[in-house]
Amino acid sequence: ETGVTQTPRHLVMGMTNKKSLKCEQHLGHNAMYWYKQSAKKPLELMFVYSLEERVENNSVPSRFSPECPNSSHLFLHLHTLQPEDSALYLCASSQGKGALADTQYFGPGTRLTVL
Amino acid sequence: RKEVEQDPGPFNVPEGATVAFNCTYSNSASQSFFWYRQDCRKEPKLLMSVYSSGNEDGRFTAQLNRASQYISLLIRDSKLSDSATYLCVVNINNNDMRFGAGTRLTVKP
Repeated sequence: ETGVTQTPRHLVMGMTNKKSLKCEQHLGHNAMYWYKQSAKKPLELMFVYSLEERVENNSVPSRFSPECPNSSHLFLHLHTLQPEDSALYLCASSQGKGALADTQYFGPGTRLTVL
Repeated sequence: RKEVEQDPGPFNVPEGATVAFNCTYSNSASQSFFWYRQDCRKEPKLLMSVYSSGNEDGRFTAQLNRASQYISLLIRDSKLSDSATYLCVVNINNNDMRFGAGTRLTVKP
């Protein structure tokens, strides 16, 4: 299933590096999301974009910077990360038309390790 | 109190068993509810939505009790392929989904 793709699938970076995660959805959806999943913790919503406008930013540190150039693409720019930022970063998309029962479809995730 | 709380398990059951998972949520204004399934090292995938008083899809039955702010998932006739982590998800508003930490299920031969 390739509705939502993410690259890279694995990333190892040092604390001084700058890297970007990429997400692309092929479902014609209007909303895209970044989540963080740490071991034995619930998924944490980081950012939401609806129609390319950021509508949610859950107190995420500024070392994470999202970008949504169009409704199909979403980036997460990373700089000066900390080891505790190591986690699985999941992208999701949904129709985002205000429907409460708005199913989210997830990408395979990027497993990030910060050394 | 956690926004969405689940028994982490693990639940270890034999094939053919019936198993039930529970989930409670704290926001009484929550409007929609879901069960997602996540296999090891894979992304979450929607298992079923939970509407009104609940719904059934084959071997899976989801129930919602708004008064108690409680959702359940019942799996009948468990298969080996049902082994996964089951995530309870609550939609707080249009774009804000809150996930439980998940309940891990292992079905054994």
